[in-house]
Amino acid sequence: IAGITQAPTSQILAAGRRMTLRCTQDMRHNAMYWYRQDLGLGLRLIHYSNTAGTTGKGEVPDGYSVSRANTDDFPLTLASAVPSQTSVYFCASSPTGSNYGYTFGSGTRLTVV
Amino acid sequence: KNQVEQSPQSLIILEGKNCTLQCNYTVSPFSNLRWYKQDTGRGPVSLTIMTFSENTKSNGRYTATLDADTKQSSLHITASQLSDSASYICVVSDLNNAGNMLTFGGGTRLMVKP
Repeated sequence: IAGITQAPTSQILAAGRRMTLRCTQDMRHNAMYWYRQDLGLGLRLIHYSNTAGTTGKGEVPDGYSVSRANTDDFPLTLASAVPSQTSVYFCASSPTGSNYGYTFGSGTRLTVV
Repeated sequence: KNQVEQSPQSLIILEGKNCTLQCNYTVSPFSNLRWYKQDTGRGPVSLTIMTFSENTKSNGRYTATLDADTKQSSLHITASQLSDSASYICVVSDLNNAGNMLTFGGGTRLMVKP
């Protein structure tokens, strides 16, 4: 593993089903983030975690939950998927501090039908 | 509400030519401004990060400028290559939520043709 690994790379999901998107980093970054990217819109923050054991809500948190049991993993769960959650999801991480760049994963393309 | 506007939305240029992408923002209080390159099907990759006191920063053929007074930034690409075809995203961080609340622009999609 080098950087951030997201899984799966793509998924088609029936509405109402539960789904967990996985994100693992090997850089020992304290902060991790989940974004969604929709056509024509900038990336929007769903949830974030400044350090293991803590999480916070971003701009569009409804319908999503996260956990941060350790430094490396930051899974995103959709409890009951809806078609409006069709999007590309990116996980990112950064060292603590505002002037560090974010490292992004390659994304998960999710289609809810 | 914090906003980041980028122009143009899309751009086609010939290989070897230069181009300049624009970013205007209304994020306050300002912390830093970042430019990212996103290849199709991939996550964004950082090109530059500039703080309030920095006017220009280069990364190879990419040069970013920042005018904090007018709240404008530009990304200049010199001697474009086919591999420069990508979306370029301007991102601004505000001081209150530094590290947690980035505002992303919608991106400029650049296509470099041979």
